[in-house]
Amino acid sequence: DTEVTQTPKHLVMGMTNKKSLKCEQHMGHRAMYWYKQKAKKPPELMFVYSYEKLSINESVPSRFSPECPNSSLLNLHLHALQPEDSALYLCASSPKDTALVPLHFGNGTRLTVT
Amino acid sequence: AQSVTQPDIHITVSEGASLELRCNYSYGATPYLFWYVQSPGQGLQLLLKYFSGDTLVQGIKGFEAEFKRSQSSFNLRKPSVHWSDAAEYFCAVGPRIYNQGGKLIFGQGTELSVKP
Repeated sequence: DTEVTQTPKHLVMGMTNKKSLKCEQHMGHRAMYWYKQKAKKPPELMFVYSYEKLSINESVPSRFSPECPNSSLLNLHLHALQPEDSALYLCASSPKDTALVPLHFGNGTRLTVT
Repeated sequence: AQSVTQPDIHITVSEGASLELRCNYSYGATPYLFWYVQSPGQGLQLLLKYFSGDTLVQGIKGFEAEFKRSQSSFNLRKPSVHWSDAAEYFCAVGPRIYNQGGKLIFGQGTELSVKP
């Protein structure tokens, strides 16, 4: 069982739609991450939140907008996406007393942009 | 340049046989070292990590890895493979400095198939 929960599991959206991905953890972790993974490739870091503040943005296009409402929740708001944005989006978390590296991953949201 | 190399894209082993997945890295200083496993349609699961201390690290599911500083390697081993071990395995390295966090460098992955 994963301790990082992502919803929805699958999402299909058109290029003009607005949708959001949600991630939740109740392990008391203070760092949360968004990764993007294309098929047969390793994950690519998008954003890191540390103590609910955006710590790292890996030059992600503005059509992806992260939000960390509290220490347990992480959202990724999507708007005007392109077909090449179709991928598996992974959320991860880590405790405050480790280096900022993701230790617990969710099962991801499989996003298809049509 | 910082990089992680997993030389084997795909490995097939028989169930019950031993397994070794190779990982070499290039990094400015000794990094943190990780092995993750990803089953089809799933997220990544941390198998084990090396931060410091004993260079032979025990992980979950019967896996172990050995850090060899002189060879810049962190190979993953399992003495007897089970059919459920079939998955994609990623080696990764990360910075020891907190404010450079999140920037794990992943290898390209090794896909493990298990023959009955």
